[in-house]
Amino acid sequence: DAKTTQPPSMDCAEGRAANLPCNHSTISGNEYVYWYRQIHSQGPQYIIHGLKNNETNEMASLIITEDRKSSTLILPHATLRDTAVYYCIVRAPTGGGNKLTFGTGTQLKVEL
Amino acid sequence: DAGVIQSPRHEVTEMGQEVTLRCKPISGHNSLFWYRQTMMRGLELLIYFNNNVPIDDSGMPEDRFSAKMPNASFSTLKIQPSEPRDSAVYFCASTALAAGYGYTFGSGTRLTVV
Repeated sequence: DAKTTQPPSMDCAEGRAANLPCNHSTISGNEYVYWYRQIHSQGPQYIIHGLKNNETNEMASLIITEDRKSSTLILPHATLRDTAVYYCIVRAPTGGGNKLTFGTGTQLKVEL
Repeated sequence: DAGVIQSPRHEVTEMGQEVTLRCKPISGHNSLFWYRQTMMRGLELLIYFNNNVPIDDSGMPEDRFSAKMPNASFSTLKIQPSEPRDSAVYFCASTALAAGYGYTFGSGTRLTVV
């Protein structure tokens, strides 16, 4: 699986958009970008994933650059409950059997 | 669906004792993963199963750790004998092999070995 690089921490004001970057310059053609988050003391939670097109769901939007070497997770209106560690993971989706390897992620702190 | 269910939520045991952690995956999911999380090492994959068969146990730290999945609805992670360095939060996750995404994690078991 391709390695990812994320900033260790970010701050965001409540109500503003939180933009979390991820670099994955060694990504292969069949590898997807996945985002998970972990709120303190809870298990990680799946947020969104994409291959090359931008994706949006009820939780967030995922913007992947044209060369696929980086991506940005966008929380459009961050709330205090979005304070968590956000993990960007790149892997090939071979039927879910492959292991999911977590890095150190970005600690997002949403403040009033 | 109740999600991935882990038990117990908290476990405190003395060094040298046997510890068994339990996991019930989401019904219909056929891939199950055991992770361990510590401050020092983050989230580490210990072992995973596809269709109840262990696929990769390279993350199991040593022979004191063992995992089983006797059927599609139950898995155990056993530590015997336990040591203080085993203290961590242990997570179980499941997904459907056909899905390719969306692992669902349990709430974890916080293990303290004194």
